[in-house]
Amino acid sequence: GALVYQYPRRTICKSGTSMRMECQAVGFQATSVAWYRQSPQKTFELIALSTVNSAIKYEQNFTQEKFPISHPNLSFSSMTVLNAYLEDRGLYLCGASRGGPNERLFFGHGTKLSVL
Amino acid sequence: GEKVEQHESTLSVREGDSAVINCTYTDTASSYFPWYKQEAGKSLHFVIDIRSNVDRKQSQRLIVLLDKKAKRFSLHITATQPEDSAIYFCAPLGGNYKPTFGKGTSLVVHP
Repeated sequence: GALVYQYPRRTICKSGTSMRMECQAVGFQATSVAWYRQSPQKTFELIALSTVNSAIKYEQNFTQEKFPISHPNLSFSSMTVLNAYLEDRGLYLCGASRGGPNERLFFGHGTKLSVL
Repeated sequence: GEKVEQHESTLSVREGDSAVINCTYTDTASSYFPWYKQEAGKSLHFVIDIRSNVDRKQSQRLIVLLDKKAKRFSLHITATQPEDSAIYFCAPLGGNYKPTFGKGTSLVVHP
């Protein structure tokens, strides 16, 4: 079956430091990867959409300088939160699809980021 | 960009009854309409989807209806069970090719 492994599951970092999270697709080719942040109110914000062999498209309020993403092949993607502060807290989810975004997304377990 | 609304933030039903969760969107170019669920403390899981070339799709106890004129699609869960309790999110794909999530509807199925 198709699975997405996301790690770490939880991480705590000091204010101003950075942390990296990774997603591994197993059983399918992750042509597209969407990175989301879920707020404490449960709302999902799209951070960026990455399609292999295309430029990564960031949403308003999110930049490559703050959330650099790598999607080097059809099974792996990573995102770093640079200079994390309190407002960056939340659950970060990667969702990968076989085709483009017009296919169902397979989600990882999420990375819960706490910032001290 | 696409604006997605799930007007009911919570829905409570008795076990065995049907539940209907609605989602409205604004982008007429939207073409793909999935539903996801999130159980307490867990990640998102795909539930069912429908594409713009049909207006009804069923998978066992799940039915999704699409009304393109009203820009609304709904998830119907028949014969609900306590394990159906979760937060359900719609995430229509707009013409900008980005899946936009609704704020979620928390379904509680009482035994």
